Amino acid sequence: KAGVTQTPRYLIKTRGQQVTLSCSPISGHRSVSWYQQTPGQGLQFLFEYFSETQRNKGNFPGRFSGRQFSNSRSEMNVSTLELGDSALYLCASTLSGLSNTGELFFGEGSRLTVL
Amino acid sequence: EDQVTQSPEALRLQEGESSSLNCSYTVSGLRGLFWYRQDPGKGPEFLFTLYSAGEEKEKERLKATLTKKESFLHITAPKPEDSATYLCAVQARGSGNTGKLIFGQGTTLQVKP
Repeated sequence: KAGVTQTPRYLIKTRGQQVTLSCSPISGHRSVSWYQQTPGQGLQFLFEYFSETQRNKGNFPGRFSGRQFSNSRSEMNVSTLELGDSALYLCASTLSGLSNTGELFFGEGSRLTVL
Repeated sequence: EDQVTQSPEALRLQEGESSSLNCSYTVSGLRGLFWYRQDPGKGPEFLFTLYSAGEEKEKERLKATLTKKESFLHITAPKPEDSATYLCAVQARGSGNTGKLIFGQGTTLQVKP
């Protein structure tokens, strides 16, 4: 069974540009959550999508947005990049939520560097 | 404000030297407390879920316990392959059955042979 796939794995952008990251969840999973991981702040929740609808959102500015397609694949977009957006962006999927086990299945992440 | 604090930030052990990692939390109604392991360059990997004070879970050399204010991850006779960053996270009742977790900063464990 294939795991969560994130693309691209690494990318470098300059300030002011925008970036789109992609996440393909485990087959059959309908919930996709996005997290930002930095050395200073750790893992912080960005948003979650379920059945193409955003059903939870963290405390990030409007420059961070996302969407989910009918096949459950998800994308997140960051516009007008700032140096502080440099981070590892992690995607996690579950069937419909945390379920009884509380397990989120994470991808390996997309490492974004903003110069 | 919901918050998770882990200590110590880093821990070095000799192979076979048992120890404990601490996770203190404040949350407006605990739905669940989770432990994850993260290896360099990888995403977090699920270890345990604890739901109520007094609950314990075990997996190989790891044992997680939960009280009303904190959780401990006990590592018995660790091996070098246990070296990783261990992350603690909580879910508040207000988050419902969603993927929103509040993570601590993690404890980076190094086990030397």
